[in-house]
Amino acid sequence: QVQLQQSGAELAKPGSSVKISCKASGYTFTSYYISWIKQTTGQGLEYIGYINTGSGGTNYNEKFKGKATLTVDKSSSTAFMQLSSLTPDDSAVYYCARGPTGDYWGQGVMVTVSS
Amino acid sequence: DIQMTQSPSFLSASVGDRVTINCKASQNINKYLNWYQQKLGEAPKRLIYNTNNLQTGIPSRFSGSGSGTDYTLTISSLQPEDFATYFCLQHNSFPGTFGGGTKLELK
Repeated sequence: QVQLQQSGAELAKPGSSVKISCKASGYTFTSYYISWIKQTTGQGLEYIGYINTGSGGTNYNEKFKGKATLTVDKSSSTAFMQLSSLTPDDSAVYYCARGPTGDYWGQGVMVTVSS
Repeated sequence: DIQMTQSPSFLSASVGDRVTINCKASQNINKYLNWYQQKLGEAPKRLIYNTNNLQTGIPSRFSGSGSGTDYTLTISSLQPEDFATYFCLQHNSFPGTFGGGTKLELK
């Protein structure tokens, strides 16, 4: 069955970076894009962007350009998202999802930015 | 970006009730509208894609309709496991944008 297994919760300091992972199984990894979505209580759900897992090509929501960097490692069927220059506003649950519209989602990673 | 206005934000209902949840887009989204269910602490689950296509494994009491800017999710007869938060996603244009969510609670 399709599974997207994300890495564990992160506690980070302002100004630092975190890199979270999303390991896919149960399907051919390079046949589907991986999308990333941010969820907060205040802003709800926001679409960060997606990566073409075959070519590595990316498409970012303008709002997250410079904040998020999406990469893949095809050898391990894993997608990554690095969040840089963290501020408290980056505290959220981050999901990866299969495809540009998310037919399957990972369990989410809580990122907390606090000094 | 396309704005998605979802209503109601909260809905109290009983087991067996028929409920509808609405999403209104700020412009025509050509039926590129998905519905998701999210339970507390869990990942969202896609219920409906492209307005009215039921995701494999989702019970037929869930259905979707709409066109243009107005879309509806209907649950024909609420079951205990349906009490959750529901949200829509338009994917007609990038970036996809989500509705604000509807929390469905037991009356």
